[in-house]
This record gives sequence, C-alpha cells and structure tokens, in this order.
Amino acid sequence: NAGVTQTPKFQVLKTGQSMTLQCAQDMNHNSMYWYRQDPGMGLRLIYYSASEGTTDKGEVPNGYNVSRLNKREFSLRLESAAPSQTSVYFCASSERGSGYGYTFGSGTRLTVV
Amino acid sequence: EDKVVQSPLSLVVHEGDTVTLNCSYEVTNFRSLLWYKQEKKAPTFLFMLTSSGIEKKSGRLSSILDKKELFSILNITATQTGDSAVYLCAEGTYKYIFGTGTRLKVLA
Repeated sequence: NAGVTQTPKFQVLKTGQSMTLQCAQDMNHNSMYWYRQDPGMGLRLIYYSASEGTTDKGEVPNGYNVSRLNKREFSLRLESAAPSQTSVYFCASSERGSGYGYTFGSGTRLTVV
Repeated sequence: EDKVVQSPLSLVVHEGDTVTLNCSYEVTNFRSLLWYKQEKKAPTFLFMLTSSGIEKKSGRLSSILDKKELFSILNITATQTGDSAVYLCAEGTYKYIFGTGTRLKVLA
C-alpha cells in the first residue's frame, strides 16, 4: 500500500550542484506530476507526464528537467541548483476519470545555499 | 490566465465551531474542483465536485459547488483540533491549478 514514494525526503545543495529527485508510484496510474510548494504561492506545476513516453512543461519549468523512465517512475532533475529553487517538492500521480484527483508523495524539502 | 483564489488566508476557531472555507475560480473551461487537506506533509484528497456532482458530504465535512457564481465552499461542523491543517482547493482535470490554501487552526 505504498502509493507514491519520493526520495530523498530532505536535501541540502550548494549553488550550482545538480541532483535528481526520484518518484515512483505503484497504483498503475498513467499520469504523473511534479509540483513545488512555496509559502504564499501554493502548489505550482513544474512538469507533468500525461502518459508513459510523454512529458510537458507546467507553470514553472525553468531550471528543471524530467524523465518518465517507465509507467511507474518520474524523476525531476536540477542541473545547476539556485537558491530560488529552495522549496518543498511533491510528486503526484493520477488516473483521469478516477474521481480522486491526485495521490501525492510525502515531499522532498530542498534547501539550496 | 486561469486562477483559483481561496479565502480567508487563515482562520482560528475553537473546538465545536463551524467553519466555512471559500474557493473561487476563474477558468476558461471548468472541469472539476477538488478539495485537499494538508497537515504536515502531503495533501490528502477530500472531495471532487463536477458538473454532475455539486454536493459532497463525508462526516462533519461537506462541500458544494456553485457553477453559476464560480465558487465552492467547504464546511466543517463541530470542529476538532485534528481539523487543524491547510485546506487547498484546485481546479482542472488531469492537470490542476491550486489555490494558496486556507490555514485553519482549531483551539481546544
């Protein structure tokens, strides 16, 4: 009954470093998403993958890349981290028409110094 | 530009009170409206409202959708300290736009 699993839970990076956030879901959902959550800004969509083999930009894609490795896994990469990318990152998955919206992972708190 | 606006930003009540949280939306083509509860970690799903399902209820929580006036409300009756959380609403279908949330604190 894992749902959506994100790793790592916490990370501190220095400006300019790179890292990949991992996300996997075991609900056989077609669609997966990466959001960031900042105080006063709500959840903002970075990238999404409507189905395996496709990815699209969301509202705030600059500075990020994604890979939909297979139906289960959707990773988010920061190539050169900046302090503005300090945030809490949530991965989510959904099945269109399910009536249940997203299932979220537990989040990654990223600090860029 | 599509947007979702929630009010109030924050709210403090005492146990037993009834609260009403508001969510208004301005979107080109309405699809569905969702409510989530977020405590310390990930948001958890509460309700989905659509054109064919404009009222939902679960225990002390209920929600309605007014498609004419473009808003939804979330009601919580007989509040408990465990209701303290940020409540988020979102509009969309497979891709959602979120409001900034209402932070509810329930005092014992």
